[in-house]
Amino acid sequence: NAGVMQNPRHLVRRRGQEARLRCSPMKGHSHVYWYRQLPEEGLKFMVYLQKENIIDESGMPKERFSAEFPKEGPSILRIQQVVRGDSAAYFCASSTTDNSPLHFGNGTRLTVT
Amino acid sequence: GENVEQHPSTLSVQEGDSAVIKCTYSDSASNYFPWYKQELGKGPQLIIDIRSNVGEKKDQRIAVTLNKTAKHFSLHITETQPEDSAVYFCASFPQLYGNNRLAFGKGNQVVVIP
Repeated sequence: NAGVMQNPRHLVRRRGQEARLRCSPMKGHSHVYWYRQLPEEGLKFMVYLQKENIIDESGMPKERFSAEFPKEGPSILRIQQVVRGDSAAYFCASSTTDNSPLHFGNGTRLTVT
Repeated sequence: GENVEQHPSTLSVQEGDSAVIKCTYSDSASNYFPWYKQELGKGPQLIIDIRSNVGEKKDQRIAVTLNKTAKHFSLHITETQPEDSAVYFCASFPQLYGNNRLAFGKGNQVVVIP
């Protein structure tokens, strides 16, 4: 039973480019969460989605960041016009319900040059 | 918002000894407290969790204790082994955000010395 799958594992973008991060939840999980981790910091909540719905995006910057979880396919975290401050590890997690344990993927490490 | 703090930030123990990490939280309505282990280059792995209706939970060499009055919970690792070396994160579900957001501490680096 595959866990949460994220790709790519590493992503390098120049300032001003777009970054697209993908996440496939565990089989049977319909709740997806995105977290950001800066070096030597804990994980910070960004957004919580269910299929075709954004439930809570209060942790996501208002500009340049967007997330979706379509009916078919993976969840996508999209960062437009990246800046150096966007460099971080982005982790996706999934769960079966909104009150069940979260299981994390191995993350995408974004580097903005 | 919810504030989760972990102590100590770094802990070194001799192989075979016990390690204890303490976590405090601020939202008295929080009712779910997981611990995650993160190895270098990997994502956080859930190792144990506890809900507010119990005071202690054990799984082989790992245990978690919860003190709701004092608003802290602790991770106990007995008979530590080199593979226990990692960063450990505690988290809580703060009710003010609804039951869909984990608030994480900044992590404890545990080093097991062979």
